[in-house]
Amino acid sequence: GAVVSQHPSRVICKSGTSVKIECRSLDFQATTMFWYRQFPKQSLMLMATSNEGSKATYEQGVEKDKFLINHASLTLSTLTVTSAHPEDSSFYICSAKRDWSSYNEQFFGPGTRLTVL
Amino acid sequence: AQSVAQPEDQVNVAEGNPLTVKCTYSVSGNPYLFWYVQYPNRGLQFLLKYITGDNLVKGSYGFEAEFNKSQTSFHLKKPSALVSDSALYFCAVRDMIYNQGGKLIFGQGTELSVKP
Repeated sequence: GAVVSQHPSRVICKSGTSVKIECRSLDFQATTMFWYRQFPKQSLMLMATSNEGSKATYEQGVEKDKFLINHASLTLSTLTVTSAHPEDSSFYICSAKRDWSSYNEQFFGPGTRLTVL
Repeated sequence: AQSVAQPEDQVNVAEGNPLTVKCTYSVSGNPYLFWYVQYPNRGLQFLLKYITGDNLVKGSYGFEAEFNKSQTSFHLKKPSALVSDSALYFCAVRDMIYNQGGKLIFGQGTELSVKP
């Protein structure tokens, strides 16, 4: 149990286009999901906290108009990178916090590799 | 400020030898501590956690970690390393500040290399 999927696993797009990444909790409900960005051999940088039915909370320095987050259901959050540029190329990882967990355990997706040409 | 530190960027161990990956933390109150492992181009896999109770926590793949409150440490250990343990390891602590949604604060990561 407690599986989180991400789709797509890998995407290549042209500069200026928008890319949507999905994060799904497959067998549990998650009111809260998190989106991270990771550069090679570096730590995870939290971009935003996604809350079902309300606006996402963005970390300082993250452009909310650039990285649009929608959390429309208890099992799905999406991250849309708008007008992507080569500097947006990165590994994006989501995690889902299981509802009703006494210590808010998080489960991580397998990640999405974005390459912007 | 709450933080997690992994003082070693890389740890090299010979197969069969014990390994230790270090982690220290700084939080207010009682910490919730976690270890995750990441293989290349993959997401994070949960190894173990400390919430309360015994200071020695046993986790997946033969790993264990010892919570030391006086030293504010949570070092990851394994008695006998395998080549397949080679990966990137992250220590994390739950942000205990109210209304932060339970987000995790990650250390910088330690790359473990186990040689045959």
